Amino acid sequence: GQNIDQPTEMTATEGAIVQINCTYQTSGFNGLFWYQQHAGEAPTFLSYNVLDGLEEKGRFSSFLSRSKGYSYLLLKELQMKDSASYLCAVKDSNYQLIWGAGTKLIIKP
Amino acid sequence: DVKVTQSSRYLVKRTGEKVFLECVQDMDHENMFWYRQDPGLGLRLIYFSYDVKMKEKGDIPEGYSVSREKKERFSLILESASTNQTSMYLCASSLADTHTGELFFGEGSRLTVL
Repeated sequence: GQNIDQPTEMTATEGAIVQINCTYQTSGFNGLFWYQQHAGEAPTFLSYNVLDGLEEKGRFSSFLSRSKGYSYLLLKELQMKDSASYLCAVKDSNYQLIWGAGTKLIIKP
Repeated sequence: DVKVTQSSRYLVKRTGEKVFLECVQDMDHENMFWYRQDPGLGLRLIYFSYDVKMKEKGDIPEGYSVSREKKERFSLILESASTNQTSMYLCASSLADTHTGELFFGEGSRLTVL
């Protein structure tokens, strides 16, 4: 079967750095997405990786290793507004999205 | 600003009632999707549509149907609601031919079936 694993919950301190991991086992691979979802709100697109390596976008970076079936989202200089759930999703060989259950990130002052 | 609007944020229905959830997007997107989101589970695809009057079953279509009569509107129908359909329902849209296929989501409709 197809599977996306990510930690259920993480806690970090304001101003610090946090890394949220995502491992996947899918039938084929056509890209990996990270979305952010604040409580009670719509998920919003953060990043897309299809080639190995690191993609940086401001305070957020996303890394992909296709050979390891692994990605991480790196958040730097954490702010209270970064408290949210972070969803990892992989596009499989049929171009269908397989979603992880999400990681709830709690930022403490 | 791109926008996906879901008609109801919160609904409470009784078992056996018919439920309509409506979704409208103003971005002229070809693709539209209905997901349900439950605690501890990833988003699960119910139905999707790549064009007007077209519909495709997702992973969990049982107990649901959809309608897409106009490009901007995609409706989810529960013919006879059951308690196991209590969930958060998310509508999303995307352009047909983009490199990433980024999804734009509505804010969700939280349905409680008693």
